Amino acid sequence: EPEVTQTPSHQVTQMGQEVILRCVPISNHLYFYWYRQILGQKVEFLVSFYNNEISEKSEIFDDQFSVERPDGSNFTLKIRSTKLEDSAMYFCASSEDRVDYGYTFGSGTRLTVV
Amino acid sequence: RKEVEQDPGPFNVPEGATVAFNCTYSNSASQSFFWYRQDCRKEPKLLMSVYSSGNEDGRFTAQLNRASQYISLLIRDSKLSDSATYLCVVNTGNQFYFGTGTSLTVIP
Repeated sequence: EPEVTQTPSHQVTQMGQEVILRCVPISNHLYFYWYRQILGQKVEFLVSFYNNEISEKSEIFDDQFSVERPDGSNFTLKIRSTKLEDSAMYFCASSEDRVDYGYTFGSGTRLTVV
Repeated sequence: RKEVEQDPGPFNVPEGATVAFNCTYSNSASQSFFWYRQDCRKEPKLLMSVYSSGNEDGRFTAQLNRASQYISLLIRDSKLSDSATYLCVVNTGNQFYFGTGTSLTVIP
């Protein structure tokens, strides 16, 4: 079964540092997403990406965050100047269709900001 | 008002029991609906889409009532392996909105 692959599985970083979370979506999928889940809380939408540009973003996705698809396969989330409250599980997801199909999620990157 | 609301539970049921989860959503323009399953510290995994006519996948039955903006999931003959958090997910525009999840523990 096709998978969405995320690396690293766990990232520890010092407050104020920049981190890049990496994702390889399923190859024939066209829509890409980042979500986060703070421990014990619900999954929250960050950003969606289609045709090499952001199609929608939430209030959480402020200037601290950016996404990129640097080549044909990787999809990255950059968090600049990390804060303690950025500690969360970050899930990448991809889908073939915008609406009708559920997402396939990667196994996540646990980000710990110390 | 929350986009998606679920009873967080927990639901503790014996093996073989039937259990039902409910979910309501606030935006009448929502377009598609799903149930996801999430095991502890793992990613959400798609369990099933929810269609207006209702749909069934083995022991799982999902129903959608657009007029009441209500979604349900019924699990029959619960197995120990069904223990997880069940997430109600609603697509509105280009965003998926997740409920906080309902925790299920199936007891031997």
